[in-house]
Amino acid sequence: AQSVTQLGSHVSVSEGALVLLRCNYSSSVPPYLFWYVQYPNQGLQLLLKYTTGATLVKGINGFEAEFKKSETSFHLTKPSAHMSDAAEYFCAVLMDSSYKLLFGSGTRLLVRP
Amino acid sequence: DTEVTQTPKHLVMGMTNKKSLKCEQHMGHRAMYWYKQKAKKPPELMFVYSYEKLSINESVPSRFSPECPNSSLLNLHLHALQPEDSALYLCASSQASLMRNYGYTFGSGTRLTVV
Repeated sequence: AQSVTQLGSHVSVSEGALVLLRCNYSSSVPPYLFWYVQYPNQGLQLLLKYTTGATLVKGINGFEAEFKKSETSFHLTKPSAHMSDAAEYFCAVLMDSSYKLLFGSGTRLLVRP
Repeated sequence: DTEVTQTPKHLVMGMTNKKSLKCEQHMGHRAMYWYKQKAKKPPELMFVYSYEKLSINESVPSRFSPECPNSSLLNLHLHALQPEDSALYLCASSQASLMRNYGYTFGSGTRLTVV
């Protein structure tokens, strides 16, 4: 069975500091992994995805994530946080042979001035 | 057009009402989805349509009735809901055959309150 675990329900950083949001997955087959962002009272926006190929994936708004098979991780990073990055972030894995996207529990990113 | 449009954005309904949520996309996506999201929780899959046919129903109560009248439209008919059904309802779409490569595109959701 596949699963997604996001460590830390809340992460707080200062503006300009490094952002690191953690995601670990469990999958018996090569996973398809996604990061989504959700701003208050809005839908989900795709930040980036890993399917095959290069393990370092660059996304929108300066975010990137690295797929590490040995660590079963897909952590999201951004070198310098902006106030506008404050939102809920969801890691997700595509379930085997289906259309089902399984989400982690989410991490709320707070950015301090 | 790269959007999924959901209407209405907000809906308040009584427990005896019948209402419908609508979702529309013009990206040529042949898979469409309904998700339910409670406050401070991740989205949970309700239904999947593939090529206008229902392919996944996640044991959703019958008071929720999905409909896919054509490849661009997805409806969710609501009847006799309970207060605990209050949530954000998200529609999404994807390439049916390439979903694994591209993921979903989500709408902005309908905020439903059942009173």
